[in-house]
Amino acid sequence: AQSVTQLGSHVSVSEGALVLLRCNYSSSVPPYLFWYVQYPNQGLQLLLKYTSAATLVKGINGFEAEFKKSETSFHLTKPSAHMSDAAEYFCAVTSINTGTASKLTFGTGTRLQVTL
Amino acid sequence: GAGVSQSPRYKVAKRGQDVALRCDPISGHVSLFWYQQALGQGPEFLTYFQNEAQLDKSGLPSDRFFAERPEGSVSTLKIQRTQQEDSAVYLCASSLAGGAGYNSPLHFGNGTRLTVT
Repeated sequence: AQSVTQLGSHVSVSEGALVLLRCNYSSSVPPYLFWYVQYPNQGLQLLLKYTSAATLVKGINGFEAEFKKSETSFHLTKPSAHMSDAAEYFCAVTSINTGTASKLTFGTGTRLQVTL
Repeated sequence: GAGVSQSPRYKVAKRGQDVALRCDPISGHVSLFWYQQALGQGPEFLTYFQNEAQLDKSGLPSDRFFAERPEGSVSTLKIQRTQQEDSAVYLCASSLAGGAGYNSPLHFGNGTRLTVT
């Protein structure tokens, strides 16, 4: 079975500070990993995805994430937080090798708060 | 429309009532997914369609849950004899290609918030 663990249900940063949201995965086969963002009362929007190409993935809105197999991690970062980044962020995993290619398994989410 | 549309946006049902939730995916999208998102949790997979074929329904929590996509476009998630534990946001997503978003991105609707009283 595949799973992701997001460390920290709430993260607060000052505007302009580094954003670091942690995600660790568990998978017995090569994973595909995703970060999604959810604004209040809205659906999820894809930020970026790792699909076994480059280990450093750049996404929208200045976010990026690095796949580290040795650490089974896929942490999301942004050098400088904006007020508009305040939202819920979800890490997710799937794989095409398990016969469960239809399933995207999400973490429990991290709520990012950005303060002045 | 430009995105995935779900209706109703909010639904309040009395325990024991049946409900039907509708999803209009982006035109031409092959794959359609239903997810359940409980308060403060991440979305949990319910079921997956590729065109009109329901390829995976392993996430449906009980036989009270039923989903269909008869013509390969609009989908309906039906919940019979609703229970309080069914209260959640139900999210629909579609993608142009098959699979859970590794070939083409998943586009999510804004969800239907179901409250069972």
